[in-house]
Amino acid sequence: DVKVTQSSRYLVKRTGEKVFLECVQDMDHENMFWYRQDPGLGLRLIYFSYDVKMKEKGDIPEGYSVSREKKERFSLILESASTNQTSMYLCASIQLAGGRNEQFFGPGTRLTVL
Amino acid sequence: GENVEQHPSTLSVQEGDSAVIKCTYSDSASNYFPWYKQELGKRPQLIIDIRSNVGEKKDQRIAVTLNKTAKHFSLHITETQPEDSAVYFCAASFNSGGSNYKLTFGKGTLLTVNP
Repeated sequence: DVKVTQSSRYLVKRTGEKVFLECVQDMDHENMFWYRQDPGLGLRLIYFSYDVKMKEKGDIPEGYSVSREKKERFSLILESASTNQTSMYLCASIQLAGGRNEQFFGPGTRLTVL
Repeated sequence: GENVEQHPSTLSVQEGDSAVIKCTYSDSASNYFPWYKQELGKRPQLIIDIRSNVGEKKDQRIAVTLNKTAKHFSLHITETQPEDSAVYFCAASFNSGGSNYKLTFGKGTLLTVNP
């Protein structure tokens, strides 16, 4: 069974703080993704990585950065948290098998920035 | 880049009725179209997908149809049950077999099945 875990389920931070969200997958997947989920806006891609130390911007990268030093771990960094970054953050990794590109999601981190 | 529009944003049906959710995409190069289901408080999970070389795919009570010419695809759920209540997301991507497997998601449809 594929397992994608995230370091926190709930997080409360103050404006201006540096925030780290960690994601770990245990299936040796090469591709990993960070999304934010907001009501009425669906899942929006922040960044993704297709290999160690490789990263690409998604649709809403502003205010975020990422790090992928090891294959199993993909970190999302908010350099200076702002209230408009209050959201649910979902990490995912992708399993490629038989033409099916299934993204496995973590449980999510609900971040509140005060 | 790709843009995916999804309708309706909310859908309420009676148990046993059918439900249809529709999506359109903008990039004619897109060739892979998955559907994810997210139950309340849980993570999204893949329920069915279709590739552009297929017009229809069925798995028990759910089916997906694809019209490449019109660039739209739909999810059909028959004989709905209360456990089908969830948010459903469509998505599109272009997979060349290389390293880029980025998905563009629609905004989601909240389906409520009333007993």
